[in-house]
Amino acid sequence: EDQVTQSPEALRLQEGESSSLNCSYTVSGLRGLFWYRQDPGKGPEFLFTLYSAGEEKEKERLKATLTKKESFLHITAPKPEDSATYLCAVQARVRSGAGSYQLTFGKGTKLSVIP
Amino acid sequence: GAVVSQHPSRVICKSGTSVKIECRSLDFQATTMFWYRQFPKKSLMLMATSNEGSKATYEQGVEKDKFLINHASLTLSTLTVTSAHPEDSSFYICSASLSSGSTDTQYFGPGTRLTVL
Repeated sequence: EDQVTQSPEALRLQEGESSSLNCSYTVSGLRGLFWYRQDPGKGPEFLFTLYSAGEEKEKERLKATLTKKESFLHITAPKPEDSATYLCAVQARVRSGAGSYQLTFGKGTKLSVIP
Repeated sequence: GAVVSQHPSRVICKSGTSVKIECRSLDFQATTMFWYRQFPKKSLMLMATSNEGSKATYEQGVEKDKFLINHASLTLSTLTVTSAHPEDSSFYICSASLSSGSTDTQYFGPGTRLTVL
């Protein structure tokens, strides 16, 4: 069974204080690892997909990296508008019984950036 | 690009009535759409997978007669909560899968907050 564990559950940062969020996973053949951002009362917003160990992707103050067992989301000099819950999800190579590629989500890290 | 809409964003209904939620992919075609439910401070729980032109596949524990899903076109899927009860109150989110080469990325709608009185 595919599993995703995110840590920490919650993180408070001062504006400008860089940090990292962790996503550990076990999957029967990784097809892709996804990062989403979710604001309260809204649907998740797609950020990145990583496919193989060693891959990195950047978007503004966010940088995602991938190893064979975990992914990190690095936040450099965060701003209050970066406050949100960040979700990590894995997609296995094997299709589900429905014939689709499902996502298995972690519980998320709630990030609060204090001015 | 890759925008998914949901309607309505909020709905309040009386116990025993039915509620329909629409999910549309606005700028791409989606053979597959997914329906999720999210409880407060919890992650997303997959309810069902909706494939265009065929019956939906429901996850274990999800009542298919209560949560009717129709995926009539490549841009529209609907979820109907039948005979709603207060325990059906939740945040329902759909996603549409965009396939590109060997990648299938799910883009999510903004969600629908259902309150059953």
